[in-house]
Amino acid sequence: AQSVTQLDSQVPVFEEAPVELRCNYSSSVSVYLFWYVQYPNQGLQLLLKYLSGSTLVKGINGFEAEFNKSQTSFHLRKPSVHISDTAEYFCAVSSMNTGFQKLVFGTGTRLLVSP
Amino acid sequence: DVKVTQSSRYLVKRTGEKVFLECVQDMDHENMFWYRQDPGLGLRLIYFSYDVKMKEKGDIPEGYSVSREKKERFSLILESASTNQTSMYLCASTVTGGYGYTFGSGTRLTVV
Repeated sequence: AQSVTQLDSQVPVFEEAPVELRCNYSSSVSVYLFWYVQYPNQGLQLLLKYLSGSTLVKGINGFEAEFNKSQTSFHLRKPSVHISDTAEYFCAVSSMNTGFQKLVFGTGTRLLVSP
Repeated sequence: DVKVTQSSRYLVKRTGEKVFLECVQDMDHENMFWYRQDPGLGLRLIYFSYDVKMKEKGDIPEGYSVSREKKERFSLILESASTNQTSMYLCASTVTGGYGYTFGSGTRLTVV
């Protein structure tokens, strides 16, 4: 079975500092990988996705992520965060085993940006 | 703009009540999902449907049922609400092929 691990439940950072949110997955077959963001009292919004091709994926709001197959990781990065990036971030994976429709989510990382 | 609409943002129900959570999508997606979200547990799949009248159990189906009579609508039913079903419920849909979900805004259900 697939699983997704987000080791950091909370990441505090100062405004304009860089940030990395970590995501590791387990799967024995090819995967699709996703990062979602959830602002307070809202649903989840897709930030970016890796389906195939270049391992560096750029998303909305200046975020990017790098797929590393050997380390089974898909870490999310932003070079300079804003107060408005304060939100919860979820990593998710789907694979051939689930028909690619079904996503398995991590437990989330809360990003707290302070002035 | 494509949408997944959940009928209620906030609901308060009494223990033992039958509760219906409604979700409608306008994207002609085949696949629809119900998740519940709890602090520290992330999103856990309750049920999903890949076609009209088809349903499959997710990871935590106990205490829930679903109905999908039309392609655009997927309903989650709590047969007899209990306090441990107090949670945020999220509906999502996707096209077959799996390029990520579109989520609704969520329904925060409180059972008292």
